[in-house]
Amino acid sequence: EDKVVQSPLSLVVHEGDTVTLNCSYEVTNFRSLLWYKQEKKAPTFLFMLTSSGIEKKSGRLSSILDKKELFSILNITATQTGDSAVYLCAVEAYSNTGKLIFGQGTTLQVKP
Amino acid sequence: KAGVTQTPRYLIKTRGQQVTLSCSPISGHRSVSWYQQTPGQGLQFLFEYFSETQRNKGNFPGRFSGRQFSNSRSEMNVSTLELGDSALYLCASSWGRGGTEAFFGQGTRLTVV
Repeated sequence: EDKVVQSPLSLVVHEGDTVTLNCSYEVTNFRSLLWYKQEKKAPTFLFMLTSSGIEKKSGRLSSILDKKELFSILNITATQTGDSAVYLCAVEAYSNTGKLIFGQGTTLQVKP
Repeated sequence: KAGVTQTPRYLIKTRGQQVTLSCSPISGHRSVSWYQQTPGQGLQFLFEYFSETQRNKGNFPGRFSGRQFSNSRSEMNVSTLELGDSALYLCASSWGRGGTEAFFGQGTRLTVV
């Protein structure tokens, strides 16, 4: 069965810290991996990764995918209180187009 | 460009009733997927529609159904509501089927009493 596992499940840091969130997956016919930030309701799209080793970057956030080892990381540098949210990782497979399989999420709390 | 719009935002229903939720995708997007989010199970896939046809379905009972219209707007229906159907229902739209970014709406919070 296809599976996505995120770690840690929760994390508390102070402003200015750097955090690394992990996402490992077991999916047949992997197609893409997506990262979302969910603060209250709507998960907000962050990145989509399809190729191994290519880093996607947006401001203080970056992400990389390792298709050989079946994981991705999301890095946030110089964290701010506004980064406090649940970060969700999702995977799509060619054999199951249109369906995203989500991990449990990592709850990040950034203290002032 | 307007985002994904879901209506209503909140609903309270009684067990046994039925409910219809609506999702308007981003203009130009043709794929709409529905997810159920609960504290215990996280985000779980319900179904995906593309060009007015259901293309993929998750492991939910037949009480959960949906449809998509020619303008790509989608509706989801839950019949014979149960307490366990209380959840945040999210829809996501994307330009094509698979391999493209999926953008979520604000969700509909359904409470069944």
